[in-house]
Amino acid sequence: QSALTQPPSASGSPGQSVTISCTGTTSDVNNYNIVSWYQQHPDKAPKLIIYEVSKRPSGVPDRFSGSKSGNTASLTVSGLQAEDEADYYCSSFAGNNNLVFGGGTKLTVL
Amino acid sequence: QVQVVESGGGVVQPGRSLRLSCVASGFTFTNYAMFWVRQAPGKGPEWVALIWSDGTNRFFAESVKGRFTISRDNSKNTIYLQMNSLRAEDTAVYYCAKDRGAWSGDNWGQGTLVVVSS
Repeated sequence: QSALTQPPSASGSPGQSVTISCTGTTSDVNNYNIVSWYQQHPDKAPKLIIYEVSKRPSGVPDRFSGSKSGNTASLTVSGLQAEDEADYYCSSFAGNNNLVFGGGTKLTVL
Repeated sequence: QVQVVESGGGVVQPGRSLRLSCVASGFTFTNYAMFWVRQAPGKGPEWVALIWSDGTNRFFAESVKGRFTISRDNSKNTIYLQMNSLRAEDTAVYYCAKDRGAWSGDNWGQGTLVVVSS
């Protein structure tokens, strides 16, 4: 069982927006602005798309955005494109030099 | 161009040891902490260990504490993961990643598969 809870699946049509949630506790997501999101295509390594809740690394489209409220962080993908179909994982610093991940959400572009 | 390449995976019997290596290039290695993260088949990633840029501090997940050690050789741009007393539940693809800061990995290798089986 993963430390952070994500819905197993999400979907949307091209051009639409979809939001994926990541629920933790007061020990991790709520307590630190150190939430990251990763995109993983089949048989590929994870790719960082959001760090520190809402910052995007260079080269990541601004269609990807992150936010946080209380124990829940969220990733929003706007203007869905076919290449956005992938697994998405959140992570959060959990204190005591510990990092926890979510179980992942499979995003399907219909 | 940043590149991270893991090696050393394979099939090993329970209770035995294995050492993974990760060679990095394309960035100033001595400026960055480095992670090991693993991913069991069909599962989400699991953080394993982190080592500071100068190697003075090392942190481990509870699941591997006391069995795994992490080290680095800054003269070779390389980090290592020494895995002892391996268990079936350690079976996973092991990734090495550069920490861009704030516990986020911004450059990952392709991973190396470790299978613990008799």
